[in-house]
Amino acid sequence: GEKVEQHESTLSVREGDSAVINCTYTDTASSYFPWYKQEAGKSLHFVIDIRSNVDRKQSQRLTVLLDKKAKRFSLHITATQPEDSAIYFCAASISAGNKLTFGIGTRVLVRP
Amino acid sequence: EAAVTQSPRNKVTVTGGNVTLSCRQTNSHNYMYWYRQDTGHGLRLIHYSYGAGNLQIGDVPDGYKATRTTQEDFFLLLELASPSQTSLYFCASSDSSSQNTLYFGAGTRLSVL
Repeated sequence: GEKVEQHESTLSVREGDSAVINCTYTDTASSYFPWYKQEAGKSLHFVIDIRSNVDRKQSQRLTVLLDKKAKRFSLHITATQPEDSAIYFCAASISAGNKLTFGIGTRVLVRP
Repeated sequence: EAAVTQSPRNKVTVTGGNVTLSCRQTNSHNYMYWYRQDTGHGLRLIHYSYGAGNLQIGDVPDGYKATRTTQEDFFLLLELASPSQTSLYFCASSDSSSQNTLYFGAGTRLSVL
């Protein structure tokens, strides 16, 4: 089955700098790649996604890049703010209707 | 905003105990999921369902049963709980006609002593 590897377990950035989280996947049939955020002591919520028909998607300060050839996708957070501190999970599925396989999560800490 | 309610929020049981975790969603979503979250493993899918009466096996199903009694209600059953099942459990739902955004419940923290 699909395996998703999340390369950074923790990331510490200064407020205002950028943060980048990288993920790779194994199944070439995967076509849907969402990201979820979990703030301390809370549940997860959706932040952004990308489908395999595009290689870049931006939503405000978040950008997702997809490199299908390398089976790699990444989340870029620009102008980081304290509220960006959280655990971020990448995930992949074969289609938007199928089950998601998650990475292990990256803890992002935004320092003042 | 989708609403997914899990109960109980915390549960302590002993090895060999019988535990039922409950999940209700009130958004007419077709898909419901049970995940467990463990440090170093992230979120792992236990069981999921496409609708009432339907059950699908996830990636880590051993030791768990599930039942989807209605479109709204999805239960996770641990009939002989073991310490390895100590974890944070999340239920989620999604609408199959949407982009498959998962809406998560608040989680149930289970300790098996």
